[in-house]
Amino acid sequence: GAGVSQSPSNKVTEKGKDVELRCDPISGHTALYWYRQRLGQGLEFLIYFQGNSAPDKSGLPSDRFSAERTGESVSTLTIQRTQQEDSAVYLCASSRRTSGNNEQFFGPGTRLTVL
Amino acid sequence: AQSVTQLDSQVPVFEEAPVELRCNYSSSVSVYLFWYVQYPNQGLQLLLKYLSGSTLVKGINGFEAEFNKSQTSFHLRKPSVHISDTAEYFCAVMGNDYKLSFGAGTTVTVRA
Repeated sequence: GAGVSQSPSNKVTEKGKDVELRCDPISGHTALYWYRQRLGQGLEFLIYFQGNSAPDKSGLPSDRFSAERTGESVSTLTIQRTQQEDSAVYLCASSRRTSGNNEQFFGPGTRLTVL
Repeated sequence: AQSVTQLDSQVPVFEEAPVELRCNYSSSVSVYLFWYVQYPNQGLQLLLKYLSGSTLVKGINGFEAEFNKSQTSFHLRKPSVHISDTAEYFCAVMGNDYKLSFGAGTTVTVRA
């Protein structure tokens, strides 16, 4: 079956513009995660959604970042008034549920470059 | 909260030689441990995971890792590498908050 997909694969934007990144999780996966990978660094947790529960937003770096998820399907990560330090690869992952023994499946990521 | 330290940022190795990638973690709670691999221009793929039970875990592509609770380590090993093992490897831990905390990654370059 299809894996996690993300779009666009690459996004170049100017400082101050808003961007929207999309994630399509694996069908049937109730948990969805967003991570950020800055150059030369590991992945940083941003936010996760589990079913209809309130999302855990504890990793969002500022109020310019927000994310939504429609039911148990598509999620969008929005970055308002982008800054150069937002340049990174944004990765989405999904799993059947939030449990340690459920593997998180990662998408290929969106590479964001803020000029 | 948990944190992960990968002790080597770059590991060059010759084909058919063994390789070990070191990972140490800190956590105040019990954790699950993972190794992920990221091949060039591809997404992250799970290599192996430790949840409980035997401390020696075998994964895909001939990799294995050993959980050492007293040393809070989860080192990854492969007895004989191939050119195709050239990739970036990430160690990650998950506590009871279901979020993965990743190390900075180790780039393995296999040369003929």
